Amino acid sequence: AQTVTQSQPEMSVQEAETVTLSCTYDTSENNYYLFWYKQPPSRQMILVIRQEAYKQQNATENRFSVNFQKAAKSFSLKISDSQLGDTAMYFCAFNDYKLSFGAGTTVTVRA
Amino acid sequence: DGGITQSPKYLFRKEGQNVTLSCEQNLNHDAMYWYRQDPGQGLRLIYYSQIVNDFQKGDIAEGYSVSREKKESFPLTVTSAQKNPTAFYLCASSAALNTEAFFGQGTRLTVV
Repeated sequence: AQTVTQSQPEMSVQEAETVTLSCTYDTSENNYYLFWYKQPPSRQMILVIRQEAYKQQNATENRFSVNFQKAAKSFSLKISDSQLGDTAMYFCAFNDYKLSFGAGTTVTVRA
Repeated sequence: DGGITQSPKYLFRKEGQNVTLSCEQNLNHDAMYWYRQDPGQGLRLIYYSQIVNDFQKGDIAEGYSVSREKKESFPLTVTSAQKNPTAFYLCASSAALNTEAFFGQGTRLTVV
């Protein structure tokens, strides 16, 4: 069974600074997708960024970027120029025909 | 508007009762999922379905049941066998099993 591990339960960052969230996963599959989701206090799940395993280039979406290391099974998320609205719980997710989530990292952006 | 609709938003159940949570999508997605989220924790997969009339158990299926009679609908029944059903339940769908999922707004179930 695949597992997704987020080792940082909580992270705090000053507004305009950068924060990096870690995620590792375990799979025997070669073709899969990885995602980062954001869950603000409203509890609505919002897709932040996605990465296809067959693509070597790291995905970027505005202030959000990933560092995908396939051999190491690592998929970290970098939030640049942090904004107050980035305060939320962030989940790493892995999909190889069964979408599994990590335990989440609570990110607090301080003014 | 296309999307996923979960109902009701809040649900109260007496102990020993079965309750059914609704999940409907008009995105023409093949795959649908049910997750449970406890306070401050991640999402745990209950059941998922790739196509109509087919579904698989997730990591915590005991005490739950589902059906997939229509592509748009994937209702979840929380049975009396589920010993601790109070939680936030999220339904999701995706175009295929290995693409990103889109989520409903969730149902908060409380046992009273």
